[in-house]
Amino acid sequence: AQSVTQPDIHITVSEGASLELRCNYSYGATPYLFWYVQSPGQGLQLLLKYFSGDTLVQGIKGFEAEFKRSQSSFNLRKPSVHWSDAAEYFCAVGAEYSGGGADGLTFGKGTHLIIQP
Amino acid sequence: DAGVTQSPTHLIKTRGQQVTLRCSPKSGHDTVSWYQQALGQGPQFIFQYYEEEERQRGNFPDRFSGHQFPNYSSELNVNALLLGDSALYLCASSLVTTKNIQYFGAGTRLSVL
Repeated sequence: AQSVTQPDIHITVSEGASLELRCNYSYGATPYLFWYVQSPGQGLQLLLKYFSGDTLVQGIKGFEAEFKRSQSSFNLRKPSVHWSDAAEYFCAVGAEYSGGGADGLTFGKGTHLIIQP
Repeated sequence: DAGVTQSPTHLIKTRGQQVTLRCSPKSGHDTVSWYQQALGQGPQFIFQYYEEEERQRGNFPDRFSGHQFPNYSSELNVNALLLGDSALYLCASSLVTTKNIQYFGAGTRLSVL
């Protein structure tokens, strides 16, 4: 069965500092990997996705993530955080459905990002 | 272009009651997935609908059922509500020809008393 582990429940970063959120996955086949962000009381917004090819993917809001197959990881990074980045971040794994189309996503438990002034 | 819309925003029910949540997918999308997000947890996949049929299901009991209409909108029904069903219910839509790119609505907050 597939699973996603986000080892850090909370992370505190100073505004302007760099950020790295960790994500490890377990999946039998080549996974599709995603990072979503959730602000309080809101739904999930897609930050970026990885399907294949270049292992460094760029997303919205200045975020990027690197897929490392040997480490089963897909860590999210940002060179300089802004106070508006404070939110809950979720890593998710899925795949193309065997019958074609989309597959139900498996999410990690999330990392709560706190930005210090 | 409207995104994924869900109704109602909030709902309060008592144990044993039944509830119906609604979702309209993003324009052009044909697949709807439902997720349950308990407080402090990540979303958990309930089921997915395509061509008006349930095509995949997560580890949820039969009390959770759904429906997809010809216009691709969807309903989630939960019978015999338990206190543990209190959660944020998220709907996500996608297009069958894309690689699992799911777009989420803002969710329905269900409280069971």
